[in-house]
This record gives sequence, C-alpha cells and structure tokens, in this order.
Amino acid sequence: LAKTTQPISMDSYEGQEVNITCSHNNIATNDYITWYQQFPSQGPRFIIQGYKTKVTNEVASLFIPADRKSSTLSLPRVSLSDTAVYYCLVGVVYNTDKLIFGTGTRLQVFP
Amino acid sequence: GAGVSQSPSNKVTEKGKDVELRCDPISGHTALYWYRQSLGQGLEFLIYFQGNSAPDKSGLPSDRFSAERTGGSVSTLTIQRTQQEDSAVYLCASSLGGLQMGKNIQYFGAGTRLSVL
Repeated sequence: LAKTTQPISMDSYEGQEVNITCSHNNIATNDYITWYQQFPSQGPRFIIQGYKTKVTNEVASLFIPADRKSSTLSLPRVSLSDTAVYYCLVGVVYNTDKLIFGTGTRLQVFP
Repeated sequence: GAGVSQSPSNKVTEKGKDVELRCDPISGHTALYWYRQSLGQGLEFLIYFQGNSAPDKSGLPSDRFSAERTGGSVSTLTIQRTQQEDSAVYLCASSLGGLQMGKNIQYFGAGTRLSVL
C-alpha cells in the first residue's frame, strides 16, 4: 500500500500562502494524488486531484514533481475559514479504486 | 438527495448492544466506503463496496463488525456486542467508481457519532 507522510500541523496568518507537502515514495504508476479538507464535525471534502505537473482550480493548486514521490498543496491567501485538517491520499490501484487516508495536517490560521 | 446521507447522526448505546448505521450514497455512485474516525485521529478504512463485486472487508477490526449493501445502493454497517472502544464517528463515502481520474473522488456524509456507555 502507498504510504503518505505529512506534517502533523502548520500555523499561518490570514492573507498568506500556505504550502503543505506530502511524501509518497511508494506511489505506483497508476496512482492519482488527491487532497481533502475536513472541518470539525464534518466529513472530508474534496479539494483537488492530480497525476503529474501542476493542477489549479478555484480553491487551490497542486504541484507534483516529475518523480511523483511528493506533492504540494498550495492555498493562496488563506482566511480563518481555511482552518481545518488537510489529507493527502495516494490511490492504491489494483483492480479497484480504493484510496487510503493518511494522518492529515492540521492547519491553524490566525487573524 | 444531492449528497451522501447518514443516519442516525448520533447514537448512544449501552455496552453489549448491537447497533446499525445507515448510509444512502449519491445516486449513480457504484463505489461505497465506510471509515471510522476516533476523536482527533485520522480516518480508518473499514470496508469498501464496488458494484456487484465482493466487498473488500480488509479494514474491519473484528468479526463484530459487518456491512451489507442492498441493491447496489443503501448500505448498513452493523456492530454487534458494542464495546466502549467502538465509540467514534463512522463516516460513509461514495464515488462514481472506476479507475479513471475523477471517478474515485469520494463524497462524504456528515457521519454518525457513536457513543458506547
């Protein structure tokens, strides 16, 4: 199974850019990289997914180097409402599309 | 409904009792997942259903836990003879199913908070 490693926690201030890096040394050729956000008392919510290079949507950017052994979620100009836990997932693809969650990064944004 | 629905939202039970937790996935989603999340912890995978295939039960912590999915839609997670260590939030998710990018994005319900006294 692909194992992911993320920082346990990060602090930031409103208006700053936040970059959260995830290591996944055992990523397989067919695996995608997906990030989720979880607020207290809620289920995780999809943020962004990528395979290689850079992906950007209205919420975040995802940077994946050529070797795909890590990925970085970039949140531009964070606000207090971005305080949450962020999970990096690497798809484990055998004959299924099961994904395994890691421990997550707790982001705290201060005013 | 537009999203994944779980019921009940909260369940308090006594040690030794059986409980059933329900999940209604998004219509058309063939894949369904159950997870457990203890306070302040990450998500622990329990079981996975994909279409009509046999479920992947590799994450179930003991034989007291079981799940079924009827008609490829609604799923029920059953915990028999509950123990205090079973207290957690049980989350259900569904996805379109398939190996293509985007098809395995999981959409989660709000969870069922189980408290075993």
